[in-house]
Amino acid sequence: DAKTTQPPSMDCAEGRAANLPCNHSTISGNEYVYWYRQIHSQGPQYIIHGLKNNETNEMASLIITEDRKSSTLILPHATLRDTAVYYCIVRLRLNTGNQFYFGTGTSLTVIP
Amino acid sequence: EAGVTQSPTHLIKTRGQQATLRCSPISGHTSVYWYQQALGLGLQFLLWYDEGEERNRGNFPPRFSGRQFPNYSSELNVNALELEDSALYLCASSPGTGGYNEQFFGPGTRLTVL
Repeated sequence: DAKTTQPPSMDCAEGRAANLPCNHSTISGNEYVYWYRQIHSQGPQYIIHGLKNNETNEMASLIITEDRKSSTLILPHATLRDTAVYYCIVRLRLNTGNQFYFGTGTSLTVIP
Repeated sequence: EAGVTQSPTHLIKTRGQQATLRCSPISGHTSVYWYQQALGLGLQFLLWYDEGEERNRGNFPPRFSGRQFPNYSSELNVNALELEDSALYLCASSPGTGGYNEQFFGPGTRLTVL
């Protein structure tokens, strides 16, 4: 039910951009892509979400391909505090089904 | 603004006992979600409550149940505890069912079943 595929782990040098890919080849037209991260067994933290346009906020940028079958989360200047598990989630836009289906995510390690 | 709170932080039970976990959503949020995260695994959706009613449940046995109170806080009850119920239980809230509202998570309750 996760409907997304992510690499299990990635490393990134501190200060560099971290680019986290996600495949969601079965996404349908009204399904949104959400990104959350979880730092060491804390509650997941919302990062960003989008439908088909690229999105940017104070934390990250989300790039969604034109066919919407994949996306990339970009942390522009990774810091040690960005070390976490990053979850890419596809969520159906429904008024009666709002739960997220998390996969196993990508464990990002930011290296000094 | 206070975030989602959960209690207790840690809970230790033995097999066969019952556990009760509590969640207070962000003020103004009417939807509460429960997730289970077993060691080394991703989050598994458990239950969703909105306006006092159970809206949906994940693939868990009936001994996992809960309720939502008029103030929108929620309880998760796990009966006849088994060793594999040991996990981090996370509660999230969102402002209602419609739209594309993100979920805000609490710090979790770590349940250990001995």
